[in-house]
Amino acid sequence: DSGVTQTPKHLITATGQRVTLRCSPRSGDLSVYWYQQSLDQGLQFLIQYYNGEERAKGNILERFSAQQFPDLHSELNLSSLELGDSALYFCASSLRTEYNEQFFGPGTRLTVL
Amino acid sequence: LAKTTQPISMDSYEGQEVNITCSHNNIATNDYITWYQQFPSQGPRFIIQGYKTKVTNEVASLFIPADRKSSTLSLPRVSLSDTAVYYCLAPGGFKTIFGAGTRLFVKA
Repeated sequence: DSGVTQTPKHLITATGQRVTLRCSPRSGDLSVYWYQQSLDQGLQFLIQYYNGEERAKGNILERFSAQQFPDLHSELNLSSLELGDSALYFCASSLRTEYNEQFFGPGTRLTVL
Repeated sequence: LAKTTQPISMDSYEGQEVNITCSHNNIATNDYITWYQQFPSQGPRFIIQGYKTKVTNEVASLFIPADRKSSTLSLPRVSLSDTAVYYCLAPGGFKTIFGAGTRLFVKA
């Protein structure tokens, strides 16, 4: 158990819908990262927050947005969903920056039908 | 942004030592090299991190030559449970780029 929690574990929805994925980092960690992993693909970095502020942005679509709240939990919002958005979405946290070890949550499996 | 290159896949047998090399030709001066392990449908797990020379922990060793343009993850006496994807990272700034990783398959 990494100490990072993600909810929900599974999510099935239809095209065009909007969903919210939630992540609670390890106690004391200030950085939160979001990754997308499609079937048999590598991990695609989406976005990083540090202590409530956006720190780095990867290949995140405009239909996706995220935020980190004052209690340091984070949410990833996916809207106008397409079939290709079906993937595992991982959240990770680290003490401070990307140079620190990242602890990954169990992931949320999103299926868009 | 340091681009990393690793072999796509490797096969080994139980009990053997496995060495996975990663090249990162344009690694930045202040970048650390980090290796993660990922099992199917699970989040990656940190294995080891180093800056130069050799680092060893209870599961692996990491060798980094003086020019730091490559690194080698060494897994001693692998078992079937070491079958996984191994990622080499050299952050190169604020973004964390995992790359395709090396798929290690350990056979009995």
